Amino acid sequence: IQMTQSPSSLSASVGDRVTITCRASQSINTYLNWYQHKPGRAPSLLIYAASTLESGVPSRFRGYGSETDFTLTITSLQPEDFATYYCQQTYSPPLTFGGGTKVEIK
Amino acid sequence: EVRLVESGGDLVQPGRSLRLSCVVSGFTFDDYAMHWVRQAPGKGLEWVSHISWNSVSIDYADSVKGRFTVSRDNARNSLFLEMESLSAEDTAVYYCVRDQRSLTAFALDYWGQGTLVTVSS
Repeated sequence: IQMTQSPSSLSASVGDRVTITCRASQSINTYLNWYQHKPGRAPSLLIYAASTLESGVPSRFRGYGSETDFTLTITSLQPEDFATYYCQQTYSPPLTFGGGTKVEIK
Repeated sequence: EVRLVESGGDLVQPGRSLRLSCVVSGFTFDDYAMHWVRQAPGKGLEWVSHISWNSVSIDYADSVKGRFTVSRDNARNSLFLEMESLSAEDTAVYYCVRDQRSLTAFALDYWGQGTLVTVSS
């Protein structure tokens, strides 16, 4: 299953609403997770099962979608949110990640 | 506190083998499936392998199938990745990762800091 993320990068300001999309090459139900990765640190789970917020993750992170089309929205971008974001399907092996979206400071 | 600590990363020549280890603490190891995920320099995340709590369900990425072998020792809270016939394309930081579930893959909720494997002559 191919996972296509867009955009591959974006520039935004603190306080902006940011949306990242992820498209699966076939239906994956809601077996879709989102991760945040900062340089020099381990990736962290943000959202699982397409829309469930992982414990401890701020509520400004929101996930939507099912079947083939998914979105990650950050409702008000904070300084600590500048990072690379990845989607991942766990519907069937081999598990696959999207190519990543790098969120940079405008 | 959940901890996953990888070791075994090294500089290795093409065609050689290497074994990675991951020791975990802070949770009941045999309640969870585990994964290896890697990131090559300047590239994105790539899932490598999954192993269920009881080692019955094991999967690999196509890029490593037949060359890598994942295993676990629940008595020692340890996860392993045996890598053979290494090539430059295997150069990456390798992460040991816990799954939220015990059998099939679902969500990768705790990650180690990674260990660097460099394949070069």
